[in-house]
Formats: sequence, C-alpha cells, structure tokens
Amino acid sequence: DAKTTQPNSMESNEEEPVHLPCNHSTISGTDYIHWYRQLPSQGPEYVIHGLTSNVNNRMASLAIAEDRKSSTLILHRATLRDAAVYYCILRREKKSSGDKLTFGTGTRLAVRP
Amino acid sequence: NAGVMQNPRHLVRRRGQEARLRCSPMKGHSHVYWYRQLPEEGLKFMVYLQKENIIDESGMPKERFSAEFPKEGPSILRIQQVVRGDSAAYFCASSPQMGSEQFFGPGTRLTVL
Repeated sequence: DAKTTQPNSMESNEEEPVHLPCNHSTISGTDYIHWYRQLPSQGPEYVIHGLTSNVNNRMASLAIAEDRKSSTLILHRATLRDAAVYYCILRREKKSSGDKLTFGTGTRLAVRP
Repeated sequence: NAGVMQNPRHLVRRRGQEARLRCSPMKGHSHVYWYRQLPEEGLKFMVYLQKENIIDESGMPKERFSAEFPKEGPSILRIQQVVRGDSAAYFCASSPQMGSEQFFGPGTRLTVL
C-alpha cells in the first residue's frame, strides 16, 4: 500500500482555520484519499474522502493537489472538540483481497482556547 | 440507528485466561473489521470478516487469536491464554459494503494482569 506522511503534531487557536497536510508521493491512480480522526479515548471516526477533486462536507474540506501527491484537510473554524489525532489514509478502489484501513501515526491536533 | 456496539468496554484478565470481545455492527452492515491499538501506538488492522467468512486475516497473530462473525449474533474476537503484551484497546468497525466508510465502535480496553 502507498505510504502517507503527516506532521506529528500541530496547534491551533479556537475559532481559527486549521490546515492539516498529508504527503502521498507514491499514490496510484485508483487510490482514494481518506481522513479519519480519533478523539481521546474514542474509536476513530470518518471525516472526509476524495479522489481528484476538492471535497466539502459538514465537518471539513479536502483540498487535493493537482498531481495528487499531497492533500490538505481543512477545518474551517477549530473548536475544542476538534482536538484529536487526524489520520490520512489511502484506500485502493475495489481491492478484491481485502478492505483494511492502514493507519499511520497521524497528526495530533491541539486546540488552544 | 444505533452505532457499532462493543462489549465489554473494559476487560481485565489474568495471564493464561481467555478474553472474548464482542462487536455488534450497525444495522444492515455485513462487513466487520477488528483493529488493535497498543499503548501509545497507532491502530493496526487485525481481521476483516463478512457474514460467516473471514476475508482477510493478514493482521492476526498466528497463535491464540481467532475471530468469527456468525450468521446470527455479534462478531467475536477471542484471545486464548492472554499475555501482558495483549493489553490494548481493541476496536471493531463495520461497513455496509467493501470500500465504503467504516464506522467504529467505542472499543474494548483489555488489561492483562
């Protein structure tokens, strides 16, 4: 599976935008870019995913570089509840052999009040 | 629609005992995944099951660990003769089909004394 690289940690102020980067230089054409986050003492939760075009949902936006070798998760107004570890994950479309998520170390986001 | 349910939430076992972790997927989901998170580490895939079938067990330790997802009832992750190194948080996720978003449960925290 292609590898992703994320900063270990980031800090943000409450109510300010946060840009969480992810590098995936070995991404293949059929890899989707998924983001999950894990709040303290909870299971991971899905945030957003995309293939080539930028995506928006109620939680966040995903900006994907034109060459697809990097992407950025954007939280438009960070709240204290957004403090979590954010994982950028590549998933291959229609893998016949399985469907696991491969979690890296993620980015631990701290939000200052 | 209730989310993914896992029980027990906390489980304490002595070395050599058996641990049984249960996971009830979301209604309508026939795909179940188990992940393990060792202390201060990321999540690691263990096994992927579809009703009554193991699809991918590439992350399961070769000995003492087994998983099932019977036609009726929850999925069970079974650890025989537990050792201290098995102490971890075990998360179950479910999805309605391969490749779609995975919904995670709150996890079972296993402590081996």
